[in-house]
Amino acid sequence: GAVVSQHPSRVICKSGTSVKIECRSLDFQATTMFWYRQFPKKSLMLMATSNEGSKATYEQGVEKDKFLINHASLTLSTLTVTSAHPEDSSFYICSASPTSGGYEQYFGPGTRLTVT
Amino acid sequence: DQQVKQNSPSLSVQEGRISILNCDYTNSMFDYFLWYKKYPAEGPTFLISISSIKDKNEDGRFTVFLNKSAKHLSLHIVPSQPGDSAVYFCAASHILDTGRRALTFGSGTRLQVQP
Repeated sequence: GAVVSQHPSRVICKSGTSVKIECRSLDFQATTMFWYRQFPKKSLMLMATSNEGSKATYEQGVEKDKFLINHASLTLSTLTVTSAHPEDSSFYICSASPTSGGYEQYFGPGTRLTVT
Repeated sequence: DQQVKQNSPSLSVQEGRISILNCDYTNSMFDYFLWYKKYPAEGPTFLISISSIKDKNEDGRFTVFLNKSAKHLSLHIVPSQPGDSAVYFCAASHILDTGRRALTFGSGTRLQVQP
């Protein structure tokens, strides 16, 4: 149980285009999902908290107009990187907390974004 | 200001021996601590957790120890196996002012188990 999927696993796009990444909780409902970014050899950096039916909460320094988050249902959150630049190239990981409660987060497999 | 610190970026042990990964924290509001294992280009996998009211939790080869007074926790893997080679992240959970719960991660320790 507690499986989280991400799609796509890998994407290459050109500068100036937008890319959407999906995060799905497959066998549980998640009121809250999280989006992280990992730089090479660094820890996971929380970008934003995605709340079903309401606006996302962004961490300091994360541009909400650049990283659009939508949490339309209890099993799906999407992250759209708008007007992508090479410096947006990174490994993006989502996680989900079960609506049933608890402190654990279950992580997706990540999405490698490369902006050329 | 790093609230969760893993001071050893890497650790190498022989197969069959004990691996000890350490983690220190500064925020006394953390109420749960978790260890995650991560392979390259994959998401972290939950391993084991401990509540702040406990000092030990064991699950198979994995044991987590919490020393609340020292704000220190450790993950013991016995016996270590080559398949345990990965990056291990320590994470601490707490409730923010907004009422939502969040995780704060350490920088990770790369464990290499030599056959």
